[in-house]
Amino acid sequence: GENVEQHPSTLSVQEGDSAVIKCTYSDSASNYFPWYKQELGKRPQLIIDIRSNVGEKKDQRIAVTLNKTAKHFSLHITETQPEDSAVYFCAGSTGRRALTFGSGTRLQVQP
Amino acid sequence: DGGITQSPKYLFRKEGQNVTLSCEQNLNHDAMYWYRQDPGQGLRLIYYSQIVNDFQKGDIAEGYSVSREKKESFPLTVTSAQKNPTAFYLCASSTIGGRQETQYFGPGTRLLVL
Repeated sequence: GENVEQHPSTLSVQEGDSAVIKCTYSDSASNYFPWYKQELGKRPQLIIDIRSNVGEKKDQRIAVTLNKTAKHFSLHITETQPEDSAVYFCAGSTGRRALTFGSGTRLQVQP
Repeated sequence: DGGITQSPKYLFRKEGQNVTLSCEQNLNHDAMYWYRQDPGQGLRLIYYSQIVNDFQKGDIAEGYSVSREKKESFPLTVTSAQKNPTAFYLCASSTIGGRQETQYFGPGTRLLVL
């Protein structure tokens, strides 16, 4: 089955800096890659997703890039703000079963 | 994701007891999922269902059971066979249609063992 590796496990940045979180996947048939943000004690919330027919997608300060050849995808957050502090999860799916999640990255934005 | 509800918010289980977690959605989604999240960990798939009266085991199904008698409902039973049930349980739903669609999560149920 699919295996999704995520790193780093923790990331601390200064407010205004950029943050990058990287994930790799094992199943070349995977075609859907969402990113979720989870605040403490809350449900994961989708922040952006990308499908395999697209190499990059942006939404304001958030962008995701996908390299199908290398089987990795990354989340980029620019101009970080304290409210960006949370745990971020990447995930992958072939469309035939549920999502496989990475282990999460705890992002801390220092004011 | 406001269309997915889970109850109760907190649940306490005594040793040897079966407990059932509720998940309901009014989004008309075909697929529903149960995940377990341990402190500081990612989400692990317990069971999922893509159609009424059918469900599939996920990666950690042992000690759990589910039913899908209605499209809107996907309850999860934590049986006494699950020896370490303390965790945050998340239900999710999505549409299906040939490719993976976005999963929306419920607010979760925190299960604690007395």
